[in-house]
Parts: sequence; structure tokens; C-alpha cells
Amino acid sequence: DARVTQTPRHKVTEMGQEVTMRCQPILGHNTVFWYRQTMMQGLELLAYFRNRAPLDDSGMPKDRFSAEMPDATLATLKIQPSEPRDSAVYFCASGLVLGQGSYEQYFGPGTRLTVT
Amino acid sequence: RKEVEQDPGPFNVPEGATVAFNCTYSNSASQSFFWYRQDCRKEPKLLMSVYSSGNEDGRFTAQLNRASQYISLLIRDSKLSDSATYLCVVNMGTGRRALTFGSGTRLQVQP
Repeated sequence: DARVTQTPRHKVTEMGQEVTMRCQPILGHNTVFWYRQTMMQGLELLAYFRNRAPLDDSGMPKDRFSAEMPDATLATLKIQPSEPRDSAVYFCASGLVLGQGSYEQYFGPGTRLTVT
Repeated sequence: RKEVEQDPGPFNVPEGATVAFNCTYSNSASQSFFWYRQDCRKEPKLLMSVYSSGNEDGRFTAQLNRASQYISLLIRDSKLSDSATYLCVVNMGTGRRALTFGSGTRLQVQP
């Protein structure tokens, strides 16, 4: 049963610290997405990659967030420096491109980040 | 107006009831639609795609109404295990707008 894996599952850190979240997409999926979910904002798309190339990262605060895909089996989302308002659940999803430019996505279990 | 709108609920229904949710979207050119289910403190899971001709999977039926720009999800014979938040996703365009999530409708099925 292929799944998206994310590490760490939980992270508590102090304001100003660097946070790195990792994601292993499902083998064979060529698109990877990073989302953030909070009670107030719901699910927000931060960035996504196709064939490891960034397609859109307009949802990310560029001054502190960065997303990369060093290889086909690893995607990373980094926050430096972290702030309390970054506290949220960060989901990675992988998927396949469907017709008409849409995607069928499969989500990882998420990283629950708390910044104090 | 939000691009993709859902009634947040909660919808409280007894076991065995039939319940329906709608999701309205603003881009008449949207081509792809999905329903996801999210349990409390879990990740969203793909429930079903919504095709122009509709889609049925067991007790779940999804429909698309292009004229009125909404999709619907019908759940028949509700089970306690159907309690969750149901998210619709609409392809609203390119880039980030290719994947626009609604804020979800919460369903609580009661014994």
C-alpha cells in the first residue's frame, strides 16, 4: 500500500529557529505539493513541483520559506527563521497529472508544527 | 466572494439518513472537481472525482451542475464512520488556482 511519508510528525521549536520538514512522495508520482492547514485559514497551497521543478510557489512567504526537491524521492520545506504564526499542520501530497491540468492527490500524515 | 464555497455545517444527521452537501465555484471554465474526506487531526483523503456524467461509489454519489456552478455529494444510509469534514476541490485555473480547496463541510452522524 503506497503512501506519502512525512517527517517529523510533530515539531515544537522556539521562535527564530530553523525548521525542516521532509516528504517522501509515492513512487512514480511526478507532482509534489506542500500545504499548510490552520483552523482560521483552512488548507492553503504553498508550493508544488512537477518532475522536481517548481511550478508555483506563490503561496509561500519567500523571505522565510523555501521548498526544494533534491531528488525524486525527497521534498523538503524549510522555515528560517520560524515565527509563532507559522504554527500549523503542514501536509505534503503527491499525485499524477490528469487531463485538463488537474491532479489526483494523495496526502501524507502531516507535520504538526508549534512555534513558541 | 470566495472562489470555492461550502457550508461549514455541522450537519447533524441520524444513522441511516441521507444527506447532501453542495460546493459552489466561481470559475465557469473549471474542468476538474473532487471530493476529499478529512477526519479530525488526519490528512485529507481522496473520496471521489466528479465527472460531468456524475459518479457513484456505493453509498456516495457526486454530481456536477455546470449551469449553476456547483458540485454535490450525496451520502445514503449514513454510518457513524461517515462523520468527518468533506472538502471539495475545484480546478480554478493554472498554478495555485489549479487546486482550490473549499473550507469543508462537517458531518456528524449520530446514533
